[in-house]
Amino acid sequence: ETAVFQTPNYHVTQVGNEVSFNCKQTLGHDTMYWYKQDSKKLLKIMFSYNNKQLIVNETVPRRFSPQSSDKAHLNLRIKSVEPEDSAVYLCASSYRGRYEQYFGPGTRLTVL
Amino acid sequence: GDQVEQSPSALSLHEGTGSALRCNFTTTMRAVQWFQQNSRGSLINLFYLASGTKENGRLKSTFNSKESYSTLHIRDAQLEDSGTYFCAARLASSSFSKLVFGQGTSLSVVP
Repeated sequence: ETAVFQTPNYHVTQVGNEVSFNCKQTLGHDTMYWYKQDSKKLLKIMFSYNNKQLIVNETVPRRFSPQSSDKAHLNLRIKSVEPEDSAVYLCASSYRGRYEQYFGPGTRLTVL
Repeated sequence: GDQVEQSPSALSLHEGTGSALRCNFTTTMRAVQWFQQNSRGSLINLFYLASGTKENGRLKSTFNSKESYSTLHIRDAQLEDSGTYFCAARLASSSFSKLVFGQGTSLSVVP
């Protein structure tokens, strides 16, 4: 099956902890993205990687750091989570950063 | 300010009827995508347009980059069409895409 896969589906943690989310795409794309969807369902880009190179880095707190081992994988680490980090994190991929983006099912983070 | 303004924010349709969603852009966009977000939260690709009109079953979408808008028409609405619909556009000034999303339209199809 070719798609965008994310793990975990859900994660509940406490303020100050570190979390890490994984994303893998089997579509043969070379560009991957992280988006954040807040409680009002607003979706905003956080990061974009092309062939393991960071190309888009929106204004996000420094505790967020993307990690890419190859063009099929893009992980997201959050050091010392805050309550406002509670959201759904969506991973996406596309070909050459120019065409249709495909999204994973999302990881819902709840910070207590 | 917001670069993508989506309307309406909420819509209720009776089964079998239809309506249109619209996104207006405050800057030149290179392409637009439309998604349906289902109850599980997954974003389902509906259309990708760099220009013109595309149709798929009961859905039809148009992107007019010159006049800076895109529409999604739904006809003969079914219960399974309920969900949140998003348009997302790619800036013409960006060589690598980042999608800028509209605020979403919450569609409820009722019997």
